[in-house]
Amino acid sequence: EIVMTQSPATLSVSPGERATLSCRASQSVSSNLAWYQQKPGQAPRLLIYGASTRATGIPARFSGSGSGTEFTLTISSLQSEDFAVYYCQQYNNWPQLTFGGGTKVEIK
Amino acid sequence: EVQLVQSGAEVKKPGESLKISCKGSGYSFTSYWIGWVRQMPGKGLEWMGIIYPGDSDTRYSPSFQGQVTISADKSISTAYLQWSSLKASDTAMYYCAGVTGGAFDIWGQGTMVTVSS
Repeated sequence: EIVMTQSPATLSVSPGERATLSCRASQSVSSNLAWYQQKPGQAPRLLIYGASTRATGIPARFSGSGSGTEFTLTISSLQSEDFAVYYCQQYNNWPQLTFGGGTKVEIK
Repeated sequence: EVQLVQSGAEVKKPGESLKISCKGSGYSFTSYWIGWVRQMPGKGLEWMGIIYPGDSDTRYSPSFQGQVTISADKSISTAYLQWSSLKASDTAMYYCAGVTGGAFDIWGQGTMVTVSS
């Protein structure tokens, strides 16, 4: 099983600042990585797939990068609606899929 | 509009059986993998398994193999997640989600399952 590890567990950021979230795979997943945002009481929402392609309707302030085992989600200028929990998920080992443990982005 | 609509919240006792549902609309249900994801209270997302309704090809996470059964009825565009004997540790929110290229791009609203004596 491919283990996905996200860091940090919690990120405190001021509105307008940049947030950088990390996701590491226990073995290479190529670019087969997705990022999700989940707000309290809501279902997750797909942000990024293919490591760097924004899903439909996702603002340009969200960007993904990386390949192999190291990935980054960057939110260029945090808006109030961006404070949430973010998860990465690999699908290189289809059909065995795994999520990371999540990073909570909170207001500093 | 493409959407997945899940059945309502359930409160069950340990040992009882349960089947929750996920109805797709706005797309070709038989051409789209559907996955199930568990989220225990205050915890992260866990992938449970997926099904291809076109031929009912089903795959499970090793963590959930034998613990749940995933099925689908393509005649009514509905996928299911079922338990034969619930435990308190099954208390969680369960999401269905459509899979495109490996990523979950459409999510249901979630079904809360509470198991308590």
